[in-house]
Amino acid sequence: GAVVSQHPSRVICKSGTSVKIECRSLDFQATTMFWYRQFPKKSLMLMATSNEGSKATYEQGVEKDKFLINHASLTLSTLTVTSAHPEDSSFYICSASLQGRSQPQHFGDGTRLSIL
Amino acid sequence: GDSVTQMEGPVTLSEEAFLTINCTYTATGYPSLFWYVQYPGEGLQLLLKATKADDKGSNKGFEATYRKETTSFHLEKGSVQVSDSAVYFCALSDSAGGSYIPTFGRGTSLIVHP
Repeated sequence: GAVVSQHPSRVICKSGTSVKIECRSLDFQATTMFWYRQFPKKSLMLMATSNEGSKATYEQGVEKDKFLINHASLTLSTLTVTSAHPEDSSFYICSASLQGRSQPQHFGDGTRLSIL
Repeated sequence: GDSVTQMEGPVTLSEEAFLTINCTYTATGYPSLFWYVQYPGEGLQLLLKATKADDKGSNKGFEATYRKETTSFHLEKGSVQVSDSAVYFCALSDSAGGSYIPTFGRGTSLIVHP
């Protein structure tokens, strides 16, 4: 089955640090990947759609200069949280799917980001 | 735009009880419908899906039927186990300009006691 790998699983760093999270599709090519932020009461917020070879599409209210997305190949998308602050602490999850209406999303295991 | 509404949690049940988690949706196109499950500290994984009206998705004793007339996709299980304790997300996939954008409900936490 389709597998998505997300790395790292946990990051603890100081305020002002930039943090890069990787999302890889291991056994399929993904022209589109999605990045989500999950809040403490479990709701999943779509942050952006990552498009291979072009700019990401950000959801309303998500700062594109704060959350940099790069999708340079068909198997890798990265999310960089620039100059992270404590309010950026959260659980970040990526997903990707095969092409087609009936294809489910395949999720990475998530990254727990804690900014001190 | 598209949206998914699912019942607020947490849902707390005793082992072997019957489970229903309600989910309704609105969509501009003809979406596929999904249920995902998230165990503590993990990402989401697909539980079941249905791609057209009256289809029933099933997996691990869970079932959900695609009801176009009521725009619903309720999740059911006849006898829950402690190991079913998790957060359940209802979702749809609808076409937007040629790509399929997922839309998720807010998630329903299920707690099963022995």
